[in-house]
Order: sequence, then C-alpha cells, then structure tokens
Amino acid sequence: QLQLQESGPGLVKPSETLSLTCTVAGGSISSSSHYWGWIRQPPGKGLEWIGSIYYSGSTYYNPPLKSRVTISVDTSKNQFSLKLNSVTAADTAVYYCARRQISPMVNTFDYWGQGTLVTVSS
Amino acid sequence: QSALTQPASVSGSPGQSITISCTGTSSDVGSHNLVSWYQQHPGKAPKVMIYEGSKRPSGVSNRFSGSKSGNTASLTISGLQAEDEADYYCCSYAGSSTFFGGGTKLTVL
Repeated sequence: QLQLQESGPGLVKPSETLSLTCTVAGGSISSSSHYWGWIRQPPGKGLEWIGSIYYSGSTYYNPPLKSRVTISVDTSKNQFSLKLNSVTAADTAVYYCARRQISPMVNTFDYWGQGTLVTVSS
Repeated sequence: QSALTQPASVSGSPGQSITISCTGTSSDVGSHNLVSWYQQHPGKAPKVMIYEGSKRPSGVSNRFSGSKSGNTASLTISGLQAEDEADYYCCSYAGSSTFFGGGTKLTVL
C-alpha cells in the first residue's frame, strides 16, 4: 500500500521560505505512470493546486504561485520537496502531497498524505 | 486562471439523492472528460470518489456517480447516508494547470 508523508517546520516567519518534504513509501517515485504534487488548503477554505513534478524533474506550477514556488525530486531517497519563498500569512494552510495518475485513472490524485499545517507568523 | 464553480452547500435527507454541479469553461471541463471528484471529511485528506468524469475507483460505493453536460460536470449521490456528510471538490485541468472547485458542503439532514 502506497503511503505519502509530509514533513517540515510547522511555523515559518513572514518573508522567509517554507520548506516541506514528502516521503513516498510502498512504491517507487520513479514510476513513468505518475506525477507527484503539492496541494494546500487554508483553514476553513478550499483546495488549491500548487504544482506537480515528474520523476525526471519536469515541473508544472500554478501560475499565481509560479514566481515563488520550486518543486524538486530526489529519486535516491524516494522523496519530493516544496519550497515557497517570501511567505505571508496568506500562505498559512494545511499542505498535502499527493500522487497524480497519468495512466490509468488519468489526471487523478489517488493517494494523499495526511497533510501538515504550516502557520506563517512572527 | 480557470475557476470551477460549485454550490457552497447542498443538503438532503437519508435515502434521498442529491447532485452537486461543477461549472467550468470550454477550455477545461468542456474540452475533455477528465473531471475528478473528491470527498473530504473534517480533519482528513481528500479521497477520490470519481475519476475521468464517471468512473469509480475500487471500493467506492456505486451510490456515487458522475456525468457531464457541456461545461458542467456533476456528482450524484443516491441513497444518502449519514456518512456521506462531507465536503466535495471537483477537479479539472486546462493545459498544464490543475484547478479545484471551491467545494460544496453536503449536509445529511
């Protein structure tokens, strides 16, 4: 059974960089059938796609966040990571990592991490 | 940036059927049949209930069904049960971007 687990600081100061890592267990991140993505959810609000990465390193970002986001992959550790710079209180959210199917179940997030709350505050 | 519009809330009594709509544009929902639907209970991660517009993953009840007409996708839940009370999100894409709807809170009366 595939499992994804987010890790990283739960508190980040304004203007600093938010850094999270997602560790994938029970399957290979180097699969040709999947992308790996980050999605966030501000308290009491809806889901927002941040971006996705393929094991080769190809990335796709949400245009409003693109200038501040970097997603990277480390296949040797079966991990992928998120960096979001110049954070403000508006970036306070539960951050989820998830697997996105290419095939089958095209364009479907089928496995999710449990989520980790990141609060931006001084 | 595309935006998918969902009703903020819907409600129904046990045993009834409800439908949640997800309206996009001809550039996203209307251009393919790849809308997915997610159920989220409080404090939990989302769970896929429908993919590719109308397909159910293994283990999802056949009370959940999906459809599309034009630029609007729909999720129908029949035979409502108390456990169906949750938030529901649609998801689509346009080009290389992925979009979620604003979410619909389903209340089982």
